[in-house]
Amino acid sequence: DVVLTQTPSTLSATIGQSVSISCRSSQSLLDSAGNTYLYWYLQRPGQSPQLLIYLVSNLGSGVPNRFSGSGSGTDFTLKISGVEAEDLGVYYCMQATHADTFGAGTKLELK
Amino acid sequence: QVTLKESGPGILQPSQTLSLTCTFSGFSLSTYGMGVGWIRQPSGKGLEWLANIWWDDDKYYNPSLKNRLTISKDTSNNQAFLKITNVDTADTATYYCARMLGSYWYFDFWGPGTMVTVSS
Repeated sequence: DVVLTQTPSTLSATIGQSVSISCRSSQSLLDSAGNTYLYWYLQRPGQSPQLLIYLVSNLGSGVPNRFSGSGSGTDFTLKISGVEAEDLGVYYCMQATHADTFGAGTKLELK
Repeated sequence: QVTLKESGPGILQPSQTLSLTCTFSGFSLSTYGMGVGWIRQPSGKGLEWLANIWWDDDKYYNPSLKNRLTISKDTSNNQAFLKITNVDTADTATYYCARMLGSYWYFDFWGPGTMVTVSS
């Protein structure tokens, strides 16, 4: 299985602060066709997960542009440029290059 | 408008078979590129992908659970199904179904989830 390691596990931020979450894969997520199936999801308290970023750096539909994704190979980052109250929750990275796996999650809370 | 809703037994006993139904609207599983996936989440824990089924009936399973999982669909009634055999307490979780787009392989619309408890 491909293991995704997210750091930090908990992130405390103030409103307006910019933060980053790291996702490292135990194997390269670049497939033979040149695609990298790496995604980011946000699960707000009591809600189902929602798609934020797909294929490393593409914003999901309706996702604010304060969210951005970057990375390649085995190292990926989600950045929030100016945290807002509605951004609180647990962030998961997920890969689908190999059999789908999720990271353990990063909880974003207010400082 | 795309919506999905999961349904299940709520509670079942160890060794039984768990049968889950995902009823959806706003898309068709007979349309090229469409898929439905199942994901579960034990209370207070992370997400675990279980299985996907595609418009062409292609199926993918979590290798660690493959022997216990069966995914299927009823295109006419806009439903997808997941069966998990020989359940035990470790299968206690909220089970989600989600729509997938084949070109991107992401889960773009999720159902609210259904809680399943395995207990004797």
